Amino acid sequence: GQQVMQIPQYQHVQEGEDFTTYCNSSTTLSNIQWYKQRPGGHPVFLIQLVKSGEVKKQKRLTFQFGEAKKNSSLHITATQTTDVGTYFCACKAAGNKLTFGGGTRVLVKP
Amino acid sequence: DVKVTQSSRYLVKRTGEKVFLECVQDMDHENMFWYRQDPGLGLRLIYFSYDVKMKEKGDIPEGYSVSREKKERFSLILESASTNQTSMYLCASSNRGLSPNEQYFGPGTRLTVT
Repeated sequence: GQQVMQIPQYQHVQEGEDFTTYCNSSTTLSNIQWYKQRPGGHPVFLIQLVKSGEVKKQKRLTFQFGEAKKNSSLHITATQTTDVGTYFCACKAAGNKLTFGGGTRVLVKP
Repeated sequence: DVKVTQSSRYLVKRTGEKVFLECVQDMDHENMFWYRQDPGLGLRLIYFSYDVKMKEKGDIPEGYSVSREKKERFSLILESASTNQTSMYLCASSNRGLSPNEQYFGPGTRLTVT
């Protein structure tokens, strides 16, 4: 079956620095979604990428879909304490089923 | 505002008990999902449903069953709870039609089986 790997599993970031988390699928995707889960909360949808090579920005967050539609990245610039949480990619190959990555847990050092 | 509710935030059950986890959504969504979340493993799909009385196995259905008698309600059943089913259980719903079909999650039920 489809496998989704997310790296790194943990990311300790100094406030104000940038970081990137990566998501890799074993199969070609129809689209990919990203979710954020705050500590003690539930996953909340951030964005969906559909087209090969697509890049979308949300303020300090930049999402990119790979040319082969098998990988994606999330880049956060000038990290703030509000960025704390776990970021999940969720991959859709076909149908309505999503396969989630293991998540990148982000900790911010003030 | 989309709302997905789950019957309990915390639940403690004994090994061998039958456990019911209830999920209700008020968005008239066709799709509903049950996941379990464990540290480092992300969210793993247990079962999902595209419509009333329809269900499909996800990636880890063993030891679980589901029921969807009404569109807004999706129940997860642990026929005989075991300690390895101690986990956070998340319910989600999404519409079938317009993209992006994002999933809306409930607050989760933390189940402990002793």
